[in-house]
Amino acid sequence: EEQLVESGGGLVKPGGSLRLSCVASGFAFNTYTMNWVRQAPGKGLEWVASISYSSSKIYYADSVKGRFTISRDNANKSLFLQMNSLRAEDTAVYYCARDGSRLMVRGIVINSFSGWFDPWGQGTLVTVSS
Amino acid sequence: DIQMTQSPSTLSASVGDSVTITCRASQNVNGWLAWYQQKPGKAPKVLIYKASSLQSGVPSRFSGRESGTEFTLTISSVEPDDFATYYCQQYNSDSRTFGQGTKLEIK
Repeated sequence: EEQLVESGGGLVKPGGSLRLSCVASGFAFNTYTMNWVRQAPGKGLEWVASISYSSSKIYYADSVKGRFTISRDNANKSLFLQMNSLRAEDTAVYYCARDGSRLMVRGIVINSFSGWFDPWGQGTLVTVSS
Repeated sequence: DIQMTQSPSTLSASVGDSVTITCRASQNVNGWLAWYQQKPGKAPKVLIYKASSLQSGVPSRFSGRESGTEFTLTISSVEPDDFATYYCQQYNSDSRTFGQGTKLEIK
């Protein structure tokens, strides 16, 4: 079964830092683009960041650029989100999500981006408050 | 950034009804659009990708259509398990964006 499990959420003061982790199982982690998506309480979904299978391509939402850093450790099937200079508006459930598909030819990743998300983790809550 | 506008925000329906949710993109997304279903306290689940491709395991009562920058998600005969919030998402650009969501409620 393909599974993603997030951890690291919690209560942090404005201006503080937090590091989220996501551990994958049940699929070839090192061949897929991975993502973070967040959802503020009672609000809609907001894409946060994406990282390609080899970490060569990284993209951020404007709302977090310069404050958040996405990274991955393929050997340990793990995805991370380092969040600095946190603000009240960063309060949300943070989901780890895999890109839905990738293109491989003869065992070589041609394109790890598909752009849609499947599967998702269960989410971890980050609360930024004094 | 590409803006995605969903309508309606809330939709009331009875079991057995056919319902349609609309998503409009602020510019051409070349069909790179997905639909998700989310239930309270749960992670979203993809229903459709590339505008009209049904994800494996998703019931055939769900379907997607594309007409230029307008996309629709149709549930042909609503079942009790379908009452949830639905989101569209474009992935034409490196900056992915979601619609604001449509809540499907029991009439």
